[in-house]
Amino acid sequence: EDKVVQSPLSLVVHEGDTVTLNCSYEVTNFRSLLWYKQEKKAPTFLFMLTSSGIEKKSGRLSSILDKKELSSILNITATQTGDSAIYLCAVLRNSGNTPLVFGKGTRLSVIA
Amino acid sequence: KAGVTQTPRYLIKTRGQQVTLSCSPISGHRSVSWYQQTPGQGLQFLFEYFSETQRNKGNFPGRFSGRQFSNSRSEMNVSTLELGDSALYLCASSLAPPGTNEKLFFGSGTQLSVL
Repeated sequence: EDKVVQSPLSLVVHEGDTVTLNCSYEVTNFRSLLWYKQEKKAPTFLFMLTSSGIEKKSGRLSSILDKKELSSILNITATQTGDSAIYLCAVLRNSGNTPLVFGKGTRLSVIA
Repeated sequence: KAGVTQTPRYLIKTRGQQVTLSCSPISGHRSVSWYQQTPGQGLQFLFEYFSETQRNKGNFPGRFSGRQFSNSRSEMNVSTLELGDSALYLCASSLAPPGTNEKLFFGSGTQLSVL
């Protein structure tokens, strides 16, 4: 059965800390891996990773995919209270009934 | 450019009733997919439509159905509601057809509570 596992499930850090969120997957017909941020209701797109070893960056956020290890990490440096959210990892498949398989998310809380 | 619009935002129903949720995708997007989000299971795929055709369906019972109209707007219907159907139902649209590297844009969801 296809699965995406995120760790930790929840995390509390102080402003200014650096955090690393993990995502591992066992999915057939892998196409790409995506990260989303869900603050209230609507998840918003962060990154799409298709090639192993190439880091994607956007401001204080960065992510990298390791196809050999079937995993990805999302790094957030100098965290701010506005980074508090659920971070979702999802794997897009080439084929199959379920095109996008999500992990259960990591709930990040950044306290001042 | 308006985002993905879902209506209603909140809904309270009783067991046995049926419900219809609506989703208007971003203008120009022809692909619409639906997800159920619960605290225990996370986001689970319901179905995906492109050009009025259902392209994929997740592992949900037949009580869950959907459709897409010629203007790309989509509806999903849940009949004979059960307590376990209480969830946030999210709709997402994308420009790319299914099977491509598609970036999904999500709506704010419909929070359904079944009493």
